[in-house]
Amino acid sequence: DAKTTQPPSMDCAEGRAANLPCNHSTISGNEYVYWYRQIHSQGPQYIIHGLKNNETNEMASLIITEDRKSSTLILPHATLRDTAVYYCIVSYPHASGGSYIPTFGRGTSLIVHP
Amino acid sequence: DTGVSQDPRHKITKRGQNVTFRCDPISEHNRLYWYRQTLGQGPEFLTYFQNEAQLEKSRLLSDRFSAERPKGSFSTLEIQRTEQGDSAMYLCASSLGVMDGYTFGSGTRLTVV
Repeated sequence: DAKTTQPPSMDCAEGRAANLPCNHSTISGNEYVYWYRQIHSQGPQYIIHGLKNNETNEMASLIITEDRKSSTLILPHATLRDTAVYYCIVSYPHASGGSYIPTFGRGTSLIVHP
Repeated sequence: DTGVSQDPRHKITKRGQNVTFRCDPISEHNRLYWYRQTLGQGPEFLTYFQNEAQLEKSRLLSDRFSAERPKGSFSTLEIQRTEQGDSAMYLCASSLGVMDGYTFGSGTRLTVV
C-alpha cells in the first residue's frame, strides 16, 4: 500500500502556480519523498525528490514541512502540457535490504485549463 | 542513448499464449525495474534487477511470470499461459544510483483476448 495521501484531482489556470499537496505522516527518518508525473499513455516521468530540505530544479519546487509529514510540489507557471497525474511517493527499503523501491498510489490528476 | 526503450509498444494475444517483452535501459544504469499498471491505478512494482541479479520480486509476480537480465543490460519479461487479468501496461524503468529518480520507458500495452 502507498504510504502517501493525495487529493484525487485538482485544476489550475494556465500561467498560475499549481500547488499539489501530499501527506506522508508515517514517513521515517531515512525515507525520501519523490514526485513523478504521468501524461496519458506515457510512462511516468521523474520530477524531483528530497529528504528534509526544500528542493528546486528546472521543472518544479518541493517544499517539505519541518516535521516531514507532508510536502507540496509547486509548478510555478503551469502550462497546458503540465496536465497529468502526479504521484507523490515515499521510498522505503525492502526487507532484503538496501534497495528502495517506490510504491505508487493513485496520484492527483491535475488539469491545467486555459 | 535517448532513454529507456520497450518493445513492443502494443501486444494483443489470445488467452493461454505466452508473451515476451523486452526492455533496454539507459546504458550506464545498472538498476532495472518492471512495473505493471492497470487503468486508473498507479504503477505496481513487479521486480528489480541490479546488474544481472534479480534482487526483489513482488508477490504480484506469480509463477507464470519470469524476468531475466542475462548480461546486466537489456531485460525480458515473459508471461506464460496468459489470462485476461494480465491485460495491463507493463513499464520498465532504470536508475543509476539507489536514491536516484527512475527513468521510465513508454511501456508495452498487453491485451489478452
